[in-house]
Amino acid sequence: DQQVKQNSPSLSVQEGRISILNCDYTNSMFDYFLWYKKYPAEGPTFLISISSIKDKNEDGRFTVFLNKSAKHLSLHIVPSQPGDSAVYFCAASAGGTYKYIFGTGTRLKVLA
Amino acid sequence: EAGVAQSPRYKIIEKRQSVAFWCNPISGHATLYWYQQILGQGPKLLIQFQNNGVVDDSQLPKDRFSAERLKGVDSTLKIQPAKLEDSAVYLCASSAGLAPNTQYFGPGTRLTVL
Repeated sequence: DQQVKQNSPSLSVQEGRISILNCDYTNSMFDYFLWYKKYPAEGPTFLISISSIKDKNEDGRFTVFLNKSAKHLSLHIVPSQPGDSAVYFCAASAGGTYKYIFGTGTRLKVLA
Repeated sequence: EAGVAQSPRYKIIEKRQSVAFWCNPISGHATLYWYQQILGQGPKLLIQFQNNGVVDDSQLPKDRFSAERLKGVDSTLKIQPAKLEDSAVYLCASSAGLAPNTQYFGPGTRLTVL
């Protein structure tokens, strides 16, 4: 049972445009969400997070939106840069357990 | 600040053989995690240590996997005997506390079981 889903395995975007990565979840108990970025041959690195008490969190070029009623979150990158090309994972946890369920990842390619 | 170190980076073994992975967390980090990432999937938590005690090992296949964190610093993850489906990248992560945005991952060990 895949509780966290990233239905787009890959995405290509032109440099300077907006990248939108989507994530859906099924467990209504999830209350904390994160996005990680992963380059080849490296471990994931934390990018941005959001608590269920918020519907938006912004950090520079990265914004995460949370729609609890739809059980959907999205990561917006504006403007996209070639260095953003990586695999992006969303992850979720429930009740402060810090046990994260990861999605399958979306490979973003930003074209120069 | 040195990151999370893992070794070896790559390992190829035959099924039914044994293998061990080593992780050295960031200095001072009390919490250590082992994840398994199968190709095309997201990382899955296998075990979490707080200092040298196990916090969560509910997804560790205990019939073949074992992990220890002696003295609350380095950790080893062992598979004995390995199966074909154990082929994956094994990621170690550490954090100073339990806050999620403080979790730092190592580069991983890619295991291929033939």
